[in-house]
Amino acid sequence: AQSVSQHNHHVILSEAASLELGCNYSYGGTVNLFWYVQYPGQHLQLLLKYFSGDPLVKGIKGFEAEFIKSKFSFNLRKPSVQWSDTAEYFCAVNASTDTGNQFYFGTGTSLTVIP
Amino acid sequence: EPEVTQTPSHQVTQMGQEVILRCVPISNHLYFYWYRQILGQKVEFLVSFYNNEISEKSEIFDDQFSVERPDGSNFTLKIRSTKLEDSAMYFCASSDTSGGLEQFFGPGTRLTVL
Repeated sequence: AQSVSQHNHHVILSEAASLELGCNYSYGGTVNLFWYVQYPGQHLQLLLKYFSGDPLVKGIKGFEAEFIKSKFSFNLRKPSVQWSDTAEYFCAVNASTDTGNQFYFGTGTSLTVIP
Repeated sequence: EPEVTQTPSHQVTQMGQEVILRCVPISNHLYFYWYRQILGQKVEFLVSFYNNEISEKSEIFDDQFSVERPDGSNFTLKIRSTKLEDSAMYFCASSDTSGGLEQFFGPGTRLTVL
């Protein structure tokens, strides 16, 4: 069965610190990878996605992620976090089938940025 | 920008009651999904719906659950007899006609079963 693992459950950083959130997945076929963010009291929003091409993808708000196929990883990074980045971050993997597609979400990483 | 909407934002119900959660997907999308997120846990897939039928469902989606697209705009999730453990945030999502690689999520309905 497919699964998505996020190893950091809760991360606390000071403003301007660098961020890296780990994400590993288990699926041998072609995958599409996503990071979603959920700000307090809000719904899931797409941060960035990888379908194909350059394995280093840039998203909104200065976030980027690198797809490393050999490691089955898609880690999220940001060089300098801000207080407004405090949120829950979810990695997700999607495998397309003829009848549609299903997302598998990781357990999420709660990021708290201290001013 | 088109978005997925969900109503109500918060539903409180008594155990054993039926609830219907409503979603209006993005208008040109053909694939629809329901997910749930129990407080403090990960987002879990419930069901996907395409061409007026369920295409995939998870183990969570048992006989107590059903989905329907009653008209051209709404997509509903019904829980026939709610249990305490059904308390969660329920998210609707939709994706477009081109293979549906990216799903757009609604704001969620918080269901509280007492």
